[in-house]
Amino acid sequence: AQSVTQLDSQVPVFEEAPVELRCNYSSSVSVYLFWYVQYPNQGLQLLLKYLSGSTLVKGINGFEAEFNKSQTSFHLRKPSVHISDTAEYFCAVTKGGGSYIPTFGRGTSLIVHP
Amino acid sequence: GAVVSQHPSWVICKSGTSVKIECRSLDFQATTMFWYRQFPKQSLMLMATSNEGSKATYEQGVEKDKFLINHASLTLSTLTVTSAHPEDSSFYICSARASSGSGNEQFFGPGTRLTVL
Repeated sequence: AQSVTQLDSQVPVFEEAPVELRCNYSSSVSVYLFWYVQYPNQGLQLLLKYLSGSTLVKGINGFEAEFNKSQTSFHLRKPSVHISDTAEYFCAVTKGGGSYIPTFGRGTSLIVHP
Repeated sequence: GAVVSQHPSWVICKSGTSVKIECRSLDFQATTMFWYRQFPKQSLMLMATSNEGSKATYEQGVEKDKFLINHASLTLSTLTVTSAHPEDSSFYICSARASSGSGNEQFFGPGTRLTVL
């Protein structure tokens, strides 16, 4: 079975500063990796996903993530955040190649201050 | 594309009543839909997996008779919270996986906020 660890429950940052949200996973098989964003009282929106190929994945809203197999990580980054990026971010992992249900991390609350 | 809707977006009900929440895939067919529950400041907890035309598969600890799931068509799944109590108050989110798609991606609905008084 897979598991996902989001070490930071909350990340405060000032507007226009860079940010990194950390995600580590454990799995004995190949995986697909996802980052979702959730705004207050809304469902989850897919930011980006890694299935295969290039380890640097670019998503929406200027976010990107890098798959590092040796470190079993999939950290999310943005070079310059906006107030509107304030939200909850979830990392998720699923087994690769099949119709499996993803396992979600506990979430990281990104708080952007003016 | 790949839009999932939920109805209602919020509902307040009295203790002991039943509440039905609908989840629809608007522009694609979904053989599988998922129901999640989310408590404040916590991650999503998978409650059950719903497959069109068959019985739902419930996760351990989720009461089947309490949370009735019906996946009547390729675009509609419903969750009925029977005899709701205040401890059932939560944010319920559904997701749908396309019949043909890539990477096991699930498309999430906007969620339904249930408050039981």
